[in-house]
Amino acid sequence: VQLLESGGGLVQPGGSLRLSCAASGFTFSNYAMSWVRQAPGKGLEWVSAISGTGATTYYADSVKGRFTISRDNSKNTLYVEMNSLRAEDTAVYYCAKAGINVAVIAPLDYWGQGTLVTVSS
Amino acid sequence: SYVLTQPPSVSVAPGQTARITCGGNNIGSKSLHWYQQKPGQAPVLVVYDDSDRPSGIPARFSGSNSGNTATLTISWVEAGDEADYYCQVWEPSGARLYVVFGGGTKLTVL
Repeated sequence: VQLLESGGGLVQPGGSLRLSCAASGFTFSNYAMSWVRQAPGKGLEWVSAISGTGATTYYADSVKGRFTISRDNSKNTLYVEMNSLRAEDTAVYYCAKAGINVAVIAPLDYWGQGTLVTVSS
Repeated sequence: SYVLTQPPSVSVAPGQTARITCGGNNIGSKSLHWYQQKPGQAPVLVVYDDSDRPSGIPARFSGSNSGNTATLTISWVEAGDEADYYCQVWEPSGARLYVVFGGGTKLTVL
């Protein structure tokens, strides 16, 4: 299993960014996926999750209405579109795979190495 | 919202046993997972569903979960176990679903 995030960078407050997570080594469409972030020197914070088919999505209150999670199972890729970015969104963003086939409620058994998003003027 | 409470730090000498707790209201009724994160690295799942270990995780790592407290136990602690450890549950709330992480515990090997 490999998960490779990309798309991070420096963005101004109020700006937008789209992160991608390229997956390999497993049948991508069978597994729910999550985004988890970690602000510098802080703990883990869950951001969003999506079912294997993409039909069901879930969001943390802190990002609901600003972030949109999606997936393209034909490309084995997970995305998160981040709008109206704030300084407090500055973090390393990890994608993570659910550890149980089909289920959304599952441990996160594989994680990517993360991509850094910095929101600053 | 559901809260998981961990001690900020735990210290233990090599060869001893480290116990990291995770407190939450009736946490024993939930499936509890533990992650290890070393500096500059992504988290790694070390215990899932309270007490099961993924393949490749040493048997020195074990977990329990009952009542209002879950515990990650690391036996025969090694220098390489020094890391931050996070507990995690899934929490349904009406039609919504959340992942909740504890605040993390820094394990220091003396």
